[in-house]
Order: sequence, then C-alpha cells, then structure tokens
Amino acid sequence: NAGVTQTPKFRVLKTGQSMTLLCAQDMNHEYMYWYRQDPGMGLRLIHYSVGEGTTAKGEVPDGYNVSRLKKQNFLLGLESAAPSQTSVYFCASGQGGFTGELFFGEGSRLTVL
Amino acid sequence: AQSVTQLGSHVSVSEGALVLLRCNYSSSVPPYLFWYVQYPNQGLQLLLKYTTGATLVKGINGFEAEFKKSETSFHLTKPSAHMSDAAEYFCAVSASDRGSTLGRLYFGRGTQLTVWP
Repeated sequence: NAGVTQTPKFRVLKTGQSMTLLCAQDMNHEYMYWYRQDPGMGLRLIHYSVGEGTTAKGEVPDGYNVSRLKKQNFLLGLESAAPSQTSVYFCASGQGGFTGELFFGEGSRLTVL
Repeated sequence: AQSVTQLGSHVSVSEGALVLLRCNYSSSVPPYLFWYVQYPNQGLQLLLKYTTGATLVKGINGFEAEFKKSETSFHLTKPSAHMSDAAEYFCAVSASDRGSTLGRLYFGRGTQLTVWP
C-alpha cells in the first residue's frame, strides 16, 4: 500500500537548471496538491488539481508549472531554478470537498545553489 | 477568506504534563477544521478533524480538540504528554463554500512540540 510517492527525495540544482518532481498516488483520488514547506512559514500551496487534465494556481505559483496528464500522477516543474526555491516540497492527494482528509508524501528536499 | 493562526511556534512540556496547542481561525463561512502532525523527515498525517456535529473531537494517540465558535478557536489538547508526541503540529481550515477555494486547506505556520523526560 504505497499511498503517495514522491521522486526524487533529494536533489541539488544550480541556479538556472530545470527539474521535475513526480508525485504518484494509488488511491484513485481526484484532488492532488503541491505544497512547499519553509521554516516558520508552514505549508504554502503552489498548485493543485481537481481532476485529470485540470490544474489551478495556489498561493505561491510563480516559477513553477504543473501537469496532470494521468489521474494518478501530478508533476511539478521548475523551468529555471532560483535559490529562493530551496525548500521541502510535499505532494498530497484527497477525495476532494471540504471534509476530506489529505494524504501526504514524505517530501522532496530541493537545494538550489 | 480563510486563515489560521497558531499561537506559539514552540511549546515544551514535561512527559506526563498537559499538552495545549492553540489555534484560532478566520472564516467567512462555517469552517471545517483539522489538526495534522508531522514527525521528523515525514509527511503530514491527519490527527483529527471537525466538520459538523459534536464540538469535542477525539483523534489518534489520545489527542482531542474542541471547536468553539464564539472564540473562533480549535485548540488541541492531550492530558498526558509522551515522548513520542514530539513533532510539529499544524492546524488547518477548509472552506465550505463553492468557488475558487473548492477543495483547499489553509494551514497555520505550525507549532513544534518538545517533550522533556
């Protein structure tokens, strides 16, 4: 029972490089989310998706792009990484609505030099 | 608009002591409220949630929280702390209206709980 799986778990990038974080869930959830976690800032929503083929912006979308081509996968891309994007990134999924529980991956730690 | 304020970024208690983590929310509609816990190097997991009905909600590991509408609060408590409770705790609020906030949670900044032996 994998739940939500994020790859890679660790990555070091140089400024200007690009990369993609992959999130996969095996719970057939409609909703998927990408958050970033920074010390003292809690979790901030980057982008989210309410179903296959749909995406929407969250609180801090600048510098990131996402795609949801398959229901079980949600990709987060950084086209030109900046040091300000050094963070721990969490993917989550859920059944949606306002009473549902979110299931989180274990996080991906990204460092941009 | 929805928002969450967690009072105290760090709380320290002795093992066996009462745990009290404070959360106040702001919501323009009836809120759904959550507490999540994050253990070191792990993702968040749901501790408990309030949707409707009984205002005292019980969660896992002996935690409970009470929804107080008049105080716009949802404080988390545990009568007796255990070493294994050391973690970061996040309060969150969800909107119950439809629209652009559909399906979103708004998290507080978190409270780090330290438990001393």
